[in-house]
Amino acid sequence: QLQLQESGPGLVKPSETLSLTCTVSGGSISSSSQYWGWIRQPPGKGLEWIGGIYYSGSTYYNPSLKSRLTISLDTSKNQFSLKLSSVTAADTAVYYCVRWVDYWGQGTLVTVSS
Amino acid sequence: DIQMTQSPSSLSASVGDRVTITCRASQGISNYLAWFQQKPGKAPKSLIYAASILQSGVPSKFSGSGSGTDFTLTISSLQPEEFATYYCQQYKSYPYTFGQGTKLEIK
Repeated sequence: QLQLQESGPGLVKPSETLSLTCTVSGGSISSSSQYWGWIRQPPGKGLEWIGGIYYSGSTYYNPSLKSRLTISLDTSKNQFSLKLSSVTAADTAVYYCVRWVDYWGQGTLVTVSS
Repeated sequence: DIQMTQSPSSLSASVGDRVTITCRASQGISNYLAWFQQKPGKAPKSLIYAASILQSGVPSKFSGSGSGTDFTLTISSLQPEEFATYYCQQYKSYPYTFGQGTKLEIK
């Protein structure tokens, strides 16, 4: 059974960089045809697709975040990560890592506040 | 971006009812549509992909249909644990986009 677990700081200061890691267990992150992504959900609101990365390393970013966003794979650790720079309060959300289209992590709340 | 519109936004139903949720795309997406169920404080759970294919372990009381721009999710014989928020999402083109959600509440 594949499992995904997000990790990273729960509090980030405005203008700083939000960094999260998703650790995958029960399967290899570099298996062919797999697509890994990040989705977020502001408190009390709906879901927003942030971006994703294929097993090959090709990335796709939401244009609304593209200038601030980096998603990468670390096959040696079976992890993928998200970095979102210059954060504001609008980036406060629960962040989920996913294997598209079937597995989700439990989510981690990141609050942007000084 | 492709806009996804769900209706209704909220729905009251009773245990045992059959309900249908509609999702409309602002342009054709073939069958590149997924449905998710989210309970309060929990991560979404994948129910259906490719508009009508049930994820492994999802009971057959859930069914999806549609192609192009109009899609439906139907849940038969509602049980208490199925009162949740349901989201559709298109993955025909980037950025992938979600509907605003349909909150299914107990009448």
